[in-house]
Amino acid sequence: QVQLVESGGGVVQPGGSLRLSCAASGFTFSTYDMNWVRQAPGKGLEWVAVIRFDGGSKYYGDSVKDRFTISRDNSKNTLFLQMNSLRTEDTAVYYCAKAGYCSGGKCAHYYDYWGQGNLVTVSS
Amino acid sequence: DIQMTQSPSTLSASLEDRVTITCRASQSISSSLAWYQQKPGEAPKLLIYKASSLDGGVPSRFSGSGSGTEFTLTISGLQPDDFATYYCQQYNTYPLTFGGGTKVEIK
Repeated sequence: QVQLVESGGGVVQPGGSLRLSCAASGFTFSTYDMNWVRQAPGKGLEWVAVIRFDGGSKYYGDSVKDRFTISRDNSKNTLFLQMNSLRTEDTAVYYCAKAGYCSGGKCAHYYDYWGQGNLVTVSS
Repeated sequence: DIQMTQSPSTLSASLEDRVTITCRASQSISSSLAWYQQKPGEAPKLLIYKASSLDGGVPSRFSGSGSGTEFTLTISGLQPDDFATYYCQQYNTYPLTFGGGTKVEIK
């Protein structure tokens, strides 16, 4: 069965950095685009970033552009999110999420599987 | 950016009620719309994709309709397990965007 297991969250001071990981299993990781989605406490869902199945292209939400970097290691079935210059407003639960359908190198970016979520707290 | 507006933001309903949630896109997204259910402390769960396709294992009391800019999620016969928050999401254009959510509460 598909599993997405996140790690790397925690408490960090404003301006600091953190790296999240998402270990995938149960599907052919290298053929699916992957995403990060976050949810601030008591708030709605916000898309953060996407990376193509082969790492060839990446897109970011405006609020994290130039500060966050999404990457993947297909040999280890792992997705990453490097977060730099963290702000208090980045405090959220971060989910990795698998694109729902991929064919011919293109994916439909709804999410059929999600990780359990990883809390990142940015606070002094 | 495409704005997704959900209504209502909160809905009070009773068991067996028929419930409808609306999601409007600020521009056409064809049928590139998904619906999710989220319970407190849990990750969202996919209910519907491509506006009206039910994900595997989702009860048939859930249905979706619409295209272009207006979409609806209907729950026909609300069950105890359905009290949760529901989100729509467009995946037609980057940045991908979600609606603000609709909390379905017990009346």
